[in-house]
Amino acid sequence: EAGVAQSPRYKIIEKRQSVAFWCNPISGHATLYWYQQILGQGPKLLIQFQNNGVVDDSQLPKDRFSAERLKGVDSTLKIQPAKLEDSAVYLCAVGPLEWSHIQYFGAGTRLSVL
Amino acid sequence: GIQVEQSPPDLILQEGANSTLRCNFSDSVNNLQWFHQNPWGQLINLFYIPSGTKQNGRLSATTVATERYSLLYISSSQTTDSGVYFCAVSTGNQFYFGTGTSLTVIP
Repeated sequence: EAGVAQSPRYKIIEKRQSVAFWCNPISGHATLYWYQQILGQGPKLLIQFQNNGVVDDSQLPKDRFSAERLKGVDSTLKIQPAKLEDSAVYLCAVGPLEWSHIQYFGAGTRLSVL
Repeated sequence: GIQVEQSPPDLILQEGANSTLRCNFSDSVNNLQWFHQNPWGQLINLFYIPSGTKQNGRLSATTVATERYSLLYISSSQTTDSGVYFCAVSTGNQFYFGTGTSLTVIP
């Protein structure tokens, strides 16, 4: 099973500040996802990577959000500047693989924008 | 994108009771997964089930792909089953999640 480490676990910032999240998958999965989960809702895809390339970023607010994947492994998601409505849990996931078909999620980063 | 609807939105059970959670989706899919999100926010995969029936202990799931729905059965519920259950579907690599069923099991 793939381990997906995310950091930090919690972050509190004021609006208009910048913030960055990190995702460090233990296993080498070609596909990596960032999701935004607002309280009371299901996760919503922000961006999907295949190796180093972006497959889908149609729901990423590109005026303030950016993401990159380094050497097809680790990934960072940045928000600059943050708005109140960005308060959410940001989840990183990897997979599926041809032989596994399932997604593995990290524990997430809970962001509060004041 | 694909619309995913889950029902019921909330469920409260006495420990030991059984329950059925439903997931309806609006288009044909090649991947369907059920997840449990525990009170600490961790999403754990329960089943990969684009069609057919699977069982794992007290949990089982059935997907009828031709009718675009999936069911998750929980038998003899325990307090540790509490949390939110999500259905997620995909036609390729992008996954669409439902809004979840929040389950509370009381002792």
